[in-house]
Amino acid sequence: DAGVIQSPRHEVTEMGQEVTLRCKPISGHNSLFWYRQTMMRGLELLIYFNNNVPIDDSGMPEDRFSAKMPNASFSTLKIQPSEPRDSAVYFCASSLVLAPSSGANVLTFGAGSRLTVL
Amino acid sequence: QKEVEQNSGPLSVPEGAIASLNCTYSDRGSQSFFWYRQYSGKSPELIMSIYSNGDKEDGRFTAQLNKASQYVSLLIRDSQPSDSATYLCAVRGSSASKIIFGSGTRLSIRP
Repeated sequence: DAGVIQSPRHEVTEMGQEVTLRCKPISGHNSLFWYRQTMMRGLELLIYFNNNVPIDDSGMPEDRFSAKMPNASFSTLKIQPSEPRDSAVYFCASSLVLAPSSGANVLTFGAGSRLTVL
Repeated sequence: QKEVEQNSGPLSVPEGAIASLNCTYSDRGSQSFFWYRQYSGKSPELIMSIYSNGDKEDGRFTAQLNKASQYVSLLIRDSQPSDSATYLCAVRGSSASKIIFGSGTRLSIRP
């Protein structure tokens, strides 16, 4: 398996522009997570999906952020309009979730998308 | 109170010694616990997972869990320079599959 695939790896944009980050999870995984990492705030959970359904988006900073998962093999995180404070590394991760007490739920991360908003 | 707390470090340990990393969590119903390692500029990668009280050993790594104290730790024996990285503690809480990370502890192994 190719692992979790994210694109683009690097994005530099100007304030006010729309940014779309993409993620392809590992085939067969049924949960997908979007995290944001900065030096100041560490690795923050933005939103996660189970079976393509958003379960918890309480970590999404504000209405400028939106995420979709139209099918089991693709998800997007969109920022519109972007601001300099959105500059961070955005990670997508996927896992196979079985029973709550099972030994699953191990996250596999993509390589990340480094976003710089000027 | 943060959901998952770690000392940010840096923690400096001489090569060959034992490195001890600690983590506390607030959700008493948490069920799964993980340690991830992250090298600078890379993505986190899983080192250990632990689900029940006690110790779990894998090579030079030992994870320890104490649910009563809401405490999980990672011991690295015979520390090597290649162990220098940031170590992230992650916890799956009582609600579905939400996984929360601590801010990470930066570990430096000095030759």
